[in-house]
Amino acid sequence: GQQLNQSPQSMFIQEGEDVSMNCTSSSIFNTWLWYKQDPGEGPVLLIALYKAGELTSNGRLTAQFGITRKDSFLNISASIPSDVGIYFCAGSYSGAGSYQLTFGKGTKLSVIP
Amino acid sequence: DGGITQSPKYLFRKEGQNVTLSCEQNLNHDAMYWYRQDPGQGLRLIYYSQIVNDFQKGDIAEGYSVSREKKESFPLTVTSAQKNPTAFYLCASSIVAGPHEQYFGPGTRLTVT
Repeated sequence: GQQLNQSPQSMFIQEGEDVSMNCTSSSIFNTWLWYKQDPGEGPVLLIALYKAGELTSNGRLTAQFGITRKDSFLNISASIPSDVGIYFCAGSYSGAGSYQLTFGKGTKLSVIP
Repeated sequence: DGGITQSPKYLFRKEGQNVTLSCEQNLNHDAMYWYRQDPGQGLRLIYYSQIVNDFQKGDIAEGYSVSREKKESFPLTVTSAQKNPTAFYLCASSIVAGPHEQYFGPGTRLTVT
């Protein structure tokens, strides 16, 4: 099956620093999604990407759909304490009528005030 | 307010008992999904349904059962055959045609002792 490698697994940063994380896939996707999960809660959709090369922002968050369609990147600028959580990437390929998402294992972000 | 509700938030059961987790959505989404999340792991798909009275096994369906009698509801039963049922269970929904953004409920933490 499809595999997603998400890195880094965890990161500790100072408040105000920028953050980068990425996902790579063993096969192509035509949708990339980025979610944030707070402890004990369900994931919340942050950004959705639908086209290779697409760059989309949501406030301090920016995500890109890699040109090879096998990777995606999420950047957070000027981190604040409420950015703490686990960030998941997810991808799907709907060419065969499948609507399933494949999830990365998450990047746990800790922000030091 | 449109959204997905899961109840209860915490559930405790003795080994050997079946237990049913509730998931309801008022987003008018056709597709619904159940995922299992273990610490440090990504989300693993248990079952999904794209239309009423039809559902498909995901990657880890063994020991679980579902029903989809109404568009709004997709309950998950964790049976006594599930060898390691203690986990965080997440329900999600999406439209079927178009972008495959999935929206998640708040989750149910099941503990079986």
